[in-house]
Amino acid sequence: EVQLVESGGGLVKPGGSLRLSCAASGFSFTYAWMNWVRQAPGKGLEWVGRFTSKSDGGTTDYAAPVKGRFTFSRDDSKNTFYVQMNSLKSEDTAVYYCATGDGATVGLDYWGQGTLVTVSP
Amino acid sequence: SYVLTQPPSVSVAPGRTARITCGGINIGSKGVHWYQQKPDQAPVLVIYYDTDRPSGIPERFSGSNSGNTATLTISRVEAGDEADYYCQVGDTGSDPYVVFGGGTKLTVL
Repeated sequence: EVQLVESGGGLVKPGGSLRLSCAASGFSFTYAWMNWVRQAPGKGLEWVGRFTSKSDGGTTDYAAPVKGRFTFSRDDSKNTFYVQMNSLKSEDTAVYYCATGDGATVGLDYWGQGTLVTVSP
Repeated sequence: SYVLTQPPSVSVAPGRTARITCGGINIGSKGVHWYQQKPDQAPVLVIYYDTDRPSGIPERFSGSNSGNTATLTISRVEAGDEADYYCQVGDTGSDPYVVFGGGTKLTVL
């Protein structure tokens, strides 16, 4: 059974930093493209970015609102995907989901339950 | 950036057919994916690449895509289908992106 479990969310002040983790199991993580998608309270889904598999280049793509502030990484030996979020703003307040898939041919096929990040003084 | 437009809400009586549209310039040339999200739950993929259903998704869910509109069709609607639905497209080429529509709230009357 595929499982994605996010952790690391919480309350942080504007300008602060936070690192989220996504622990994966039940599939071949090494070959998976991993994404972060967020959802602000009462709003729709917003793609944050992705990390391709090493076999597909191991590259990262970031959405414009987070480029330069967020950094993705992955540890294939631990089946874990991360996002380091710096210079946080109030508009980064959201539930953050990790999801597998390329977003193009197969969509985002598995999702975690999400972790809430609140940026507030 | 590419924009996807969905109606904010659609209402349908139980047992009838619901159609949720997703508009975008020449969207028929792209692969469209659809997600169902119930309150306080993560999204679930219900249709991928225009018409394909992941395992476990009922046959009542189907999709189509042509011209400037993609459509998610839910036949024989049940109370449990009440949810938000999002369309999504993406590209992995030289200008990679993933974009979601604004979402449609399906209400079962």
